Amino acid sequence: NAGVTQTPKFRVLKTGQSMTLLCAQDMNHEYMYWYRQDPGMGLRLIHYSVGEGTTAKGEVPDGYNVSRLKKQNFLLGLESAAPSQTSVYFCASNGPDRGFKDYGYTFGSGTRLTVV
Amino acid sequence: TQLLEQSPQFLSIQEGENLTVYCNSSSVFSSLQWYRQEPGEGPVLLVTVVTGGEVKKLKRLTFQFGDARKDSSLHITAAQPGDTGLYLCAGGSGAGSYQLTFGKGTKLSVIP
Repeated sequence: NAGVTQTPKFRVLKTGQSMTLLCAQDMNHEYMYWYRQDPGMGLRLIHYSVGEGTTAKGEVPDGYNVSRLKKQNFLLGLESAAPSQTSVYFCASNGPDRGFKDYGYTFGSGTRLTVV
Repeated sequence: TQLLEQSPQFLSIQEGENLTVYCNSSSVFSSLQWYRQEPGEGPVLLVTVVTGGEVKKLKRLTFQFGDARKDSSLHITAAQPGDTGLYLCAGGSGAGSYQLTFGKGTKLSVIP
């Protein structure tokens, strides 16, 4: 199993440009998440999805949009990139695959985004 | 809002030493997880504890969930350079929610 795959791994954008980050999981997980990780700030939840066709805002949703058209894919979009969005972005998934109490996240390896 | 405080933020020790890192909250969690993140990679789940007072061991790592399910600790015996990384704790609120609350992490460096 590949687990959670994120593409691209690295990207440099100019201010105002747009891009989409793709997350794909092959574990049949219901729940998917997008986080950003910044020094001293920890992991902050941007958006999440509890199932195909559903999305919800997390802690820091401004400037981002998401879509979950297929259960295995969760897309994160930046419509007009800003330097404040320079960060490492992680996708994660989990779900009731091994019982209610054991629902650890599986993370992707991250996308390092720089906005100049 | 549930918060998890991790301490210390940074820890640098010599190979062979023992260490303990802490994860504390004023909230009760239905479960507590520990992750390790190596540079350039995503966090990887180490363990889940779900019962107050539960102790789990993973080779040289010992994880404990507090009796009141508000705190947890990770103890490493005879640290190795391969233990270097960012250790994150995460709490689950249960009640049908699969979303986790993450601490900011403890960055561990084990010097050979």
